[in-house]
Amino acid sequence: GAGVSQSPRYKVAKRGQDVALRCDPISGHVSLFWYQQALGQGPEFLTYFQNEAQLDKSGLPSDRFFAERPEGSVSTLKIQRTQQEDSAVYLCASSDRRGYEQYFGPGTRLTVT
Amino acid sequence: GQQLNQSPQSMFIQEGEDVSMNCTSSSIFNTWLWYKQDPGEGPVLLIALYKAGELTSNGRLTAQFGITRKDSFLNISASIPSDVGIYFCAGRSSNTGKLIFGQGTTLQVKP
Repeated sequence: GAGVSQSPRYKVAKRGQDVALRCDPISGHVSLFWYQQALGQGPEFLTYFQNEAQLDKSGLPSDRFFAERPEGSVSTLKIQRTQQEDSAVYLCASSDRRGYEQYFGPGTRLTVT
Repeated sequence: GQQLNQSPQSMFIQEGEDVSMNCTSSSIFNTWLWYKQDPGEGPVLLIALYKAGELTSNGRLTAQFGITRKDSFLNISASIPSDVGIYFCAGRSSNTGKLIFGQGTTLQVKP
């Protein structure tokens, strides 16, 4: 079956531009997570949705980062006024109601110039 | 951010050798997960562990959930070239869905 998909796979933005990253979770998965992965590091948690409710946004690094999942399926991570330190791979993961096993998408590599 | 201590950082081994890597934490976790990540791809789930002391196998991979709930290890037996990649451990606490990841172990296999 289809796994988690993310688009775009690569995004180059000039400093100060806004970007929107999309995640399509595995069908039927109620939980959706966003992680940020810097080069050579493990993923770091950003935010978590259960259906359309954002239950944890403790990992969002600043108020320039905003995530939504309005219908409990597709999610969008938006970064406003991008900075060079935002350059990273943004990973989306989904899991079923138990939430124990998270399945990741291929990621979006964001480069801010 | 908080990360687990994963070791070794990298390994360069001969094809056919066994590999062992481990992860430790100062916090207790209720679930341990092991992932493999290839360049340009997302992490792929290898093994999930749910109980302290649990030993689980997936083909040539074996992982254990430490008794203290603060550590886990992953063994790969009879390594092959396609085992090359970065292996990550991840811990999950009970009151939040988020995973805390280790820094990764880079495995290279010489044919």
